[in-house]
Formats: sequence, structure tokens, C-alpha cells
Amino acid sequence: AQTVTQSQPEMSVQEAETVTLSCTYDTSESDYYLFWYKQPPSRQMILVIRQEAYKQQNATENRFSVNFQKAAKSFSLKISDSQLGDAAMYFCAYRSGETSGSRLTFGEGTQLTVNP
Amino acid sequence: AAGVIQSPRHLIKEKRETATLKCYPIPRHDTVYWYQQGPGQDPQFLISFYEKMQSDKGSIPDRFSAQQFSDYHSELNMSSLELGDSALYFCASSSSTREQYFGPGTRLTVT
Repeated sequence: AQTVTQSQPEMSVQEAETVTLSCTYDTSESDYYLFWYKQPPSRQMILVIRQEAYKQQNATENRFSVNFQKAAKSFSLKISDSQLGDAAMYFCAYRSGETSGSRLTFGEGTQLTVNP
Repeated sequence: AAGVIQSPRHLIKEKRETATLKCYPIPRHDTVYWYQQGPGQDPQFLISFYEKMQSDKGSIPDRFSAQQFSDYHSELNMSSLELGDSALYFCASSSSTREQYFGPGTRLTVT
């Protein structure tokens, strides 16, 4: 079974600064996807960014980028120019790419605080 | 853009009662997923349907059942409710193997 680990229960960053959230995963599959989801106090789960395992290029979405190290099974999220609205719980998630309907397996989450 | 719709948003039930949660996926999405999130926990996968057939199954109690209908909406039926079933229940949808988009969730409180 696949596992996802986020070793930072809490992180904080100053507004306009950069912060990196860590995630490691374990799998024996070669075809998979990795995601970062954001859950603000409203509890809505919001997709931040996605990475296909077969792509060597790291995904980027505006201020959000990932560092995907396939051999090390590491998938970190970098948030640049942090904003107050970035404050939320961030979940790293894994999904098998082999079949439709495959579940997301989440890490324990990292609570990000943005200080003004 | 249209999002996943869940109803009701809040539900209060007593122990041993039955609850039905509904999910309407994003138009043209053919896959629906159900997750349960307890307080302070990450979402736990319950079950998924692709083209109205069960696709993947997680740690869903036998007291729970779900199905996807011909219009692709899905219902999660929960019977003999227990206090431990109190949680936020998310439905998500996707187009085949692509990324999952989550609904706002149904907050179930069992008293």
C-alpha cells in the first residue's frame, strides 16, 4: 500500500517571504500522480498543484511550485511571495495512475501560518 | 465554472438513525469519490464509482452503502449511525484518471 508522510505538522512564514512544505511517499508503482491540496478554515479542499510521475519537469502554478525528486520519493511545495490568504492546512496526496477511480491517499497535513 | 454540489451541507442525526448524503459531480465528470474527514485528521477514502460501477473501495463500514446513478450523481447511505460517524464527508469528482475536485462537504453530527 502507498503511504504519504508530511513531517512538518506546523510551519510559519512572514508575509511576502518564501516557504517550503515537505512531503515524502512510498510506492512500488511507476505510474502515479502527486498533488497538493489546501484546506482553509472553511474546510473546502482546494487543488493547488499536480505532478505526473512520468514528467521530469517540476510543475508550477503562479506562486506555487514543486520540487519532485522521483528517486528520493520526495515532493515538496514551495510558496513564493506568501500572502495572508495562503494560511491553511496543506495536504500532500498520492494517486495511482493505473485505473480510473483510484483513491487519493493523503499525508497528515501541514498547518501553515502566515504572519503579517 | 461549475463545481461539485453536495447536499445537505449540515445534518444532525441521532444514534441508530439513517442518513443519506447526495453528490452532484461537475458536468461531464464520470467518476465520483467519497471521503470522510474526522476532526484534526486527513481525509480518508471510502469508495469510488467510475461510469456507475464501483471502482475502488476503502475502509467503508458495512453500515454504509453508496451508488452512482445514470445521471452520474451519487448517494452515500449511512445506517445505524454511531457517535463516531460524526465527521465531514466530502464528495469529489473527476474525468476518468484526471485530478479530483472536491465539493464543500457535508458536516454530519450524530448525537
